[in-house]
Amino acid sequence: DTGVSQDPRHKITKRGQNVTFRCDPISEHNRLYWYRQTLGQGPEFLTYFQNEAQLEKSRLLSDRFSAERPKGSFSTLEIQRTEQGDSAMYLCASSLRLAGNLEGRNEQFFGPGTRLTVL
Amino acid sequence: GQQVMQIPQYQHVQEGEDFTTYCNSSTTLSNIQWYKQRPGGHPVFLIQLVKSGEVKKQKRLTFQFGEAKKNSSLHITATQTTDVGTYFCPLPNQAGTALIFGKGTTLSVSS
Repeated sequence: DTGVSQDPRHKITKRGQNVTFRCDPISEHNRLYWYRQTLGQGPEFLTYFQNEAQLEKSRLLSDRFSAERPKGSFSTLEIQRTEQGDSAMYLCASSLRLAGNLEGRNEQFFGPGTRLTVL
Repeated sequence: GQQVMQIPQYQHVQEGEDFTTYCNSSTTLSNIQWYKQRPGGHPVFLIQLVKSGEVKKQKRLTFQFGEAKKNSSLHITATQTTDVGTYFCPLPNQAGTALIFGKGTTLSVSS
């Protein structure tokens, strides 16, 4: 399978606990994105990496959230001191952006998501 | 900042009827993408439009990009139950680094 994979697919945790999710993008993709989606809403952008550099973070991303992409391949998203409002589907996506290709196809390929439930 | 308005938010049709969803931006877009998310699934890329007035077809789906590059539409001819899902037209943020999703249009089809 050469698509985006995420682990775990489901996570149930108690309020106040820390959780970490992993995303493995399509291997040649240099861009990686994290989104959060709640019921009835579209995905909400959280953060974005180009290779190993985290280039953008949403202002909505609280300081309890941290993401890494240490070698420019897989990424992790950690949520510290989880709150019930963190319950959502966390989606990872990847894309390939070629230098200077401003109007080329840059579609994002989404993974199946990690569904987080905070009790 | 950029905002996407997509209408309608919900649409129910009988199988075989046509369906159209419209996407409007407050600013001129460099391109627009369309995604489909099946119930319980994740968004899947359908198409990207780049040129003013562009029309692209994928079987029963017809995508249009407005002349002013501020709006787009997706038209499905003779809907089938497999068309059920939410259709999104996320806008690129100003830096072109991320997609801003709205609530999309959720299509239900009864046979």
